This record gives sequence, C-alpha cells and structure tokens, in this order.
Amino acid sequence: QVQLVESGGGLVKPGGALRLSCAASGFTFSDYYMAWIRQAPGKGLEWVSYIGSGDRGNSITYYADSVKGRFTISRDNAKNSLYLQMNSLRAEDTAVYYCARDGAVAAYFDYWGQGIQVTVSS
Amino acid sequence: SYDLTQPPSVSVSPGQTASITCSGDKLGDKFVSWYQQKPGQSPLLVIYHHTNRPSGIPERFSGSNSGNTATLTIRGTQPMDEADYYCQAWGSSTAVFGGGTKLTVL
Repeated sequence: QVQLVESGGGLVKPGGALRLSCAASGFTFSDYYMAWIRQAPGKGLEWVSYIGSGDRGNSITYYADSVKGRFTISRDNAKNSLYLQMNSLRAEDTAVYYCARDGAVAAYFDYWGQGIQVTVSS
Repeated sequence: SYDLTQPPSVSVSPGQTASITCSGDKLGDKFVSWYQQKPGQSPLLVIYHHTNRPSGIPERFSGSNSGNTATLTIRGTQPMDEADYYCQAWGSSTAVFGGGTKLTVL
C-alpha cells in the first residue's frame, strides 16, 4: 500500500534552516508529481511547493509566494524520496508539514503522510 | 492570486443532508477536490475532479461544480462525518485550498 513518511522536523531558531524528507513506498515514485503542504496551529491547509515527475522532475518546481526564494523542493527517484530544504525560517513557518502525492498532474492529492512538526522559535 | 471561500461552519442533524460550498472566480472551469480532516489526523481525499469518489469513500459523499461554486454534499450524515472539510483547486501553477469548513453533526 502507498506510504509516505516524513522526517527531519523539529525546533529551529528564526533565520535557521531545516531539511525535511519524505520516504515513499508502495508505488512507482518517479511516475508521480509530489507536493509539500503545511498547516499552522489551528489553521487551514496551505500548499507550499510542488515538483514534477520523472528524470526532469527537479526542473519542474513551483512555490507559494510565502516561501519562494527561501524553500527548495527536490527529489531523488533512486531513493524514492522527496525533500524540502527550508532556509531563513520565520516564526510564521511554524506548522505541521505534510508530504502528498498528486494523483494526476496538477489535479488532486490522493495520499498524504502523517505530517511532521516544524517549530520556529527563539 | 486565486482565492477559494468556504463558510467557517455548517451544522447538520444525524441522518440529514449537509452541503458545504466553495466559491471562486469561474471555479466551474477548474477541477475541484475535497478533503476531510479529523482532529489529529492527516487530510483524506473524499472527492476529486468535481464528482469522483476514491475507493473506500462512502457513496453518501458527492460533489458538484458549476459557475463560481462547488458543493460537497453528504447525504444521510453520520456522527463519524464530523470533521473539517477543505476544497482545493489549481490557480496559475499553484494549488489553492479553501479556508475550511467545520462540519458539526448534532
């Protein structure tokens, strides 16, 4: 069955950096677009970033305006893994971060990980 | 940027029909998905491409989309359906979520 497992979260000071990972299994990872979506405490869902599939996946990336220039999404199809490098972190980046699979290219998110907490605080 | 608007809350009695709306400019021209999220859990896809249900989602969940409004309908609402519901569509190379609707079954 499809599984997405996030790791790498934690507590970081403002201005700091963190790298999230998402280990995928149960499907052909390279065939699917993937995304990061976050949820601040008590708030709704916010799409963060998106990456294409296949060998050219790392050249097809999109970002929310709120993270553009600070976050970088990438993937390693050989390792069935998705990443999110987060730099210049701010308090407003505090959230649970979810890794999600796009079911059909800019369509819908059919599988989600359990989420990983990122807290930015001094 | 593209925005989706949902009512903050909807209440329904058990066994009745709940309708949750999602509004956006020319939303009917876009594919809309709906997600259910219960406390402490990850979101779950319940409707995609306006009207399709993923495997395992009960038939009482249905969707529609026309004009500027998409609607998630839950017929014969059960207490287990109490959750937050989010609509989602795509803007210009960006995914957009509505603010979410808390469905209370009482």
